[in-house]
Amino acid sequence: KAGVTQTPRYLIKTRGQQVTLSCSPISGHRSVSWYQQTPGQGLQFLFEYFSETQRNKGNFPGRFSGRQFSNSRSEMNVSTLELGDSALYLCASSPSGRENSPLHFGNGTRLTVT
Amino acid sequence: TQLLEQSPQFLSIQEGENLTVYCNSSSVFSSLQWYRQEPGEGPVLLVTVVTGGEVKKLKRLTFQFGDARKDSSLHITAAQPGDTGLYLCAGARAGGTSYGKLTFGQGTILTVHP
Repeated sequence: KAGVTQTPRYLIKTRGQQVTLSCSPISGHRSVSWYQQTPGQGLQFLFEYFSETQRNKGNFPGRFSGRQFSNSRSEMNVSTLELGDSALYLCASSPSGRENSPLHFGNGTRLTVT
Repeated sequence: TQLLEQSPQFLSIQEGENLTVYCNSSSVFSSLQWYRQEPGEGPVLLVTVVTGGEVKKLKRLTFQFGDARKDSSLHITAAQPGDTGLYLCAGARAGGTSYGKLTFGQGTILTVHP
């Protein structure tokens, strides 16, 4: 079974630009979550999607958005990039996203904002 | 806001030594999960503990969930260089609405020297 695939692996953007990151979950997994990982804050939850609906959202500004397609693939978008958005963005999938469900993480997209 | 305090932040030991990593909170979690992350990769699930007082063993790794489900520990016996990595604890909030959302500790960077 293929794991969670995130593209691209690396991105360099300039302040003010926008960026779209992509995530393909494990086949059969319908829940996709996104996390931001930084050295200072660790892993922080961005949002979760299930059957194309956002069910849960973390404490991030509205510049961070996401969506899920009918095949469970997900994208997240960050608009008006700031230097502080530089981070590793991790996508994780699970069959249902219910509490106690282990998350299967991709290897992340490393975003650098200059 | 639920917080998980993980300690120590850094651990540098010699091969063959034992170690314990702690994860503490004032909040109750429905489960605690432990992940290991290596450079350039996403976190990989090691174990999920669900029942208060539960102890799980994975070869040389022993995981414990506190009786009150507020804390957990990871004990490694006879550490090996292959155990080197970032260890993360993560809690799922009780109540069935945590969809895909885990609260992560800051992590413990373990280095095992040969």
